[in-house]
Amino acid sequence: QKEVEQNSGPLSVPEGAIASLNCTYSDRGSQSFFWYRQYSGKSPELIMSIYSNGDKEDGRFTAQLNKASQYVSLLIRDSQPSDSATYLCAVKTSYDKVIFGPGTSLSVIP
Amino acid sequence: KAGVTQTPRYLIKTRGQQVTLSCSPISGHRSVSWYQQTPGQGLQFLFEYFSETQRNKGNFPGRFSGRQFSNSRSEMNVSTLELGDSALYLCASSLIFSGGTDTQYFGPGTRLTVL
Repeated sequence: QKEVEQNSGPLSVPEGAIASLNCTYSDRGSQSFFWYRQYSGKSPELIMSIYSNGDKEDGRFTAQLNKASQYVSLLIRDSQPSDSATYLCAVKTSYDKVIFGPGTSLSVIP
Repeated sequence: KAGVTQTPRYLIKTRGQQVTLSCSPISGHRSVSWYQQTPGQGLQFLFEYFSETQRNKGNFPGRFSGRQFSNSRSEMNVSTLELGDSALYLCASSLIFSGGTDTQYFGPGTRLTVL
């Protein structure tokens, strides 16, 4: 079992729709969770970090964390073509390493 | 504030050679982490340095090494290059530790091609 897994893409959504990205992790002791966006040919940039169970909202982005289910998700409301990118889930494990998932490619169709 | 800088941006080497990559973190940041990104394996953790000490290491062979200087700048070295080392090498800096409540900021990366 991989340490951090993400729903396989590519994911295509129409402009204006909600995009839902999912991530599961294996280390139950993990405490810190991050979503990064990476455009083709660019380096990852942080969108959101979340540390407590529940929802965290920032503009059109909402991160959801459920530690009991070892699950973290990212919702993008009112998706725009500029949101087309690869989304990386990252988890800081109990052994102090930040592990990245394989990424989910999102395509927002105008 | 200037971002994370990495040099060189592109590098072409041949098998068996060695290479040194450099990373300058954001001013005031003391933690530097290195990652290797390939299409097949994704973003994989190499190592993290804090205050000139290696805090953590990923599952890479000993050909991969790094160090951090007193000004927090970091270098990584890959010896006896193999074709499979072709990748984008990313450096990320954070205020104290990677993860936690400190955001990691990534540099633009060094694209290494091994022929």
